[in-house]
Formats: sequence, C-alpha cells, structure tokens
Amino acid sequence: DSGVTQTPKHLITATGQRVTLRCSPRSGDLSVYWYQQSLDQGLQFLIQYYNGEERAKGNILERFSAQQFPDLHSELNLSSLELGDSALYFCASSPRHMNTEAFFGQGTRLTVV
Amino acid sequence: DAKTTQPNSMESNEEEPVHLPCNHSTISGTDYIHWYRQLPSQGPEYVIHGLTSNVNNRMASLAIAEDRKSSTLILHRATLRDAAVYYCILRDVPNAGNMLTFGGGTRLMVKP
Repeated sequence: DSGVTQTPKHLITATGQRVTLRCSPRSGDLSVYWYQQSLDQGLQFLIQYYNGEERAKGNILERFSAQQFPDLHSELNLSSLELGDSALYFCASSPRHMNTEAFFGQGTRLTVV
Repeated sequence: DAKTTQPNSMESNEEEPVHLPCNHSTISGTDYIHWYRQLPSQGPEYVIHGLTSNVNNRMASLAIAEDRKSSTLILHRATLRDAAVYYCILRDVPNAGNMLTFGGGTRLMVKP
C-alpha cells in the first residue's frame, strides 16, 4: 500500500460525458502528479500540483483540467470524453523534493463507450 | 530530460540474479538515475536511485558506470513477484520540473 488513494477504481461512461477522478496523496506530501497510461502511449505525464498551485504541465488536453485543494487532495476533470480517453489514470505524490521516491496510487480505469 | 534506452524485454530464471541495463549517453551532470517498476495491474513503484556512486537497498542494487553513460539495475535473486516492467528514468531536478518521464521500459519475465 503506497498510501496514495484513488477513487473510483473503475469508471465506465459514455462519449461526450464528464467525469472527475479523485486522488488523496500520502500524508504530508505536497506534490501531486497525474499520469495517463493507455496501451499505445505508455505512461504519459499530464500535470503536477505543488501545495495547491500548478507546477508543471505535460501533454494534457484542453478538455482535461485538474486542481489541488487546501487539504492537498486533487481532482482530475475529464470532459467531452472520447473513446480514445479510455485509459488508466494514475496519481502520484511526493514530498517537496522529487529526488526522493514518488508514490503511485492503484489507478482509476476509465472506459469510454 | 535526457533520453534512456532499455531492451524491450528480458527473461530470467527464478532465484537467479538479473541485470537490467540502461543506456543514457546524453546524461548531464545534474541528472539523477531513477528506477521504477510496474507490476501487472498496479501503479509504478520506486525501486532505487543514484547519481554517481553505486547504491544498494533492500530491493535492488544500482551500478553506475564511471562515465555515467550507462547503468544496471541488479536484482540479486529474481522471484516470480519481480515480473514487471522496469523503467530507467533520468531526473534533472535542479533545472526542470519534478515529474518523472517514463519511456518504454524493459518487461522482465521470470520463469519458475
């Protein structure tokens, strides 16, 4: 158990819909990272928040957005969903300095039908 | 971040040592070498990291070449539970964001 909690574990939704994925980082970790893992793209970095502020952005689509709340939990919002958005979405957290290990959650499997 | 090159797959026998290579010929002086692994149906898991010297922990050892252009992750006695995708990642923490950039990794298969 990494200490990072992601909910829900599975999500099935229709094209065009909007979903919210939730991540609770390890206690005390200030950084939260979101990754997408699809079969043909591998693990892709989406976005990072540090202590409530956006810190780095990867190849995140404009239809996707995220935020980190004062209690440090984070949400990833995916809207106007397409079939190609079907993937595993992982959240990771780490203490301030990334040279220490990052802890990944078990992921949310999103299926868009 | 500098790029790494790993074999797509490797096979090992249970209870034998495994050496997983990683080439990073364009590594910069401030790049740390990180290894993560991803077991089936799980999130990635930290294994080990280092800068210049060889490192050991309870999971594995990391051997870093003197010129730092390559490194090897060593699992001393492979178990069936070590079957996973192993990722070698370079992190230039002082000069870049904090995210990990994953490549294709090496899929390790362990035979009983």
